[in-house]
Amino acid sequence: AAGVIQSPRHLIKEKRETATLKCYPIPRHDTVYWYQQGPGQDPQFLISFYEKMQSDKGSIPDRFSAQQFSDYHSELNMSSLELGDSALYFCASSFGRGRGNGYTFGSGTRLTVV
Amino acid sequence: GQQLNQSPQSMFIQEGEDVSMNCTSSSIFNTWLWYKQEPGEGPVLLIALYKAGELTSNGRLTAQFGITRKDSFLNISASIPSDVGIYFCAGQEAGGTSYGKLTFGQGTILTVHP
Repeated sequence: AAGVIQSPRHLIKEKRETATLKCYPIPRHDTVYWYQQGPGQDPQFLISFYEKMQSDKGSIPDRFSAQQFSDYHSELNMSSLELGDSALYFCASSFGRGRGNGYTFGSGTRLTVV
Repeated sequence: GQQLNQSPQSMFIQEGEDVSMNCTSSSIFNTWLWYKQEPGEGPVLLIALYKAGELTSNGRLTAQFGITRKDSFLNISASIPSDVGIYFCAGQEAGGTSYGKLTFGQGTILTVHP
């Protein structure tokens, strides 16, 4: 079965650079969630989109922005990168802002800022 | 914001032993979820709970949604080496505009010695 696809799997950037992370949800899923997981930490909710509109916003820095496109894929744009942005970034998708059972996570993008 | 307290933080057990971990919250959740995460991968859903008092099993795993809607536990029976990983509880909020967003516990690191 198709899963949530994230790219790239690994990314190394220097401080103050920008990064773009991509997420391709499971076909027919209309909701995308982004989470950040620091080393040894639990995932923290960043932002979500439902039907291409921002649905909910968590602890996402102003330097980050995201959007969901007409084909339902989503991109997380990160500017002025800081060392503390180094983390695993997970995308998850569901159908209709699902109740957790339809919440499938991708394998993540590991961002390292040097 | 919402906070989940998950315990224990880590467990070292012998193969064949039973395991129990739990989560408590200061607020009510309408859905409790248990995930397992392996290094470098996204969380994988193990069990989803939707009703207060609900007890659900998935193979050797059993989880319960506390009747106060503020807690949940996960039991793993007859542990095997492949149970090794980090187990997270996650709660989905009971309304407002946060539909779909998950709040995670701090995780329980499980080590199983053969």
